[in-house]
Amino acid sequence: GAVVSQHPSRVICKSGTSVKIECRSLDFQATTMFWYRQFPKQSLMLMATSNEGSKATYEQGVEKDKFLINHASLTLSTLTVTSAHPEDSSFYICSARVQPHGETQYFGPGTRLLVL
Amino acid sequence: AQSVTQLGSHVSVSEGALVLLRCNYSSSVPPYLFWYVQYPNQGLQLLLKYTSAATLVKGINGFEAEFKKSETSFHLTKPSAHMSDAAEYFCAVSGGYNFNKFYFGSGTKLNVKP
Repeated sequence: GAVVSQHPSRVICKSGTSVKIECRSLDFQATTMFWYRQFPKQSLMLMATSNEGSKATYEQGVEKDKFLINHASLTLSTLTVTSAHPEDSSFYICSARVQPHGETQYFGPGTRLLVL
Repeated sequence: AQSVTQLGSHVSVSEGALVLLRCNYSSSVPPYLFWYVQYPNQGLQLLLKYTSAATLVKGINGFEAEFKKSETSFHLTKPSAHMSDAAEYFCAVSGGYNFNKFYFGSGTKLNVKP
């Protein structure tokens, strides 16, 4: 149980284009999902908390207009990187909580984004 | 405020040797503590967690960790390393009013020598 998937696993795009990454909870409903960014050889940095049916909460320093988050259903959250630039190249990982107040986050396999 | 410090960005052990990965936390409220493992180009897999029950927590793949409040530590151990244990390990803390947030340590890369 508690499986989280991400799609795509890897994406290469041209500078200036937008890229959408999907995060799905496969066997549970997730009222809260989280988006992280991980640079090479570094730890995870929380970008935003995605709540179903409401606006995402962004961490300080994360551009809301750059990283659009939509949590339209209890099993799907999407992260759209708008007008991507090479510096947006990174490993993006989502996670989800099984219960509204569950203490554990279950992580997806991650999406490698390369912007040329 | 909460934070996590992982001592040693790289740890190398021989196969069959004891694995000890260190994690110290800072929290103004009773914490929840987690250890996750990450294999290359993959997401994080939960190894074990402490949520204010037993202080010695057993996880998957033979790992265990002990919560020591007096030392603000939550070190991860495994009696005998296996080659498949080579990966990066992250300690995380959450809790208190900001229950959503996980604060991750910087990670420890474990190398297992044959």
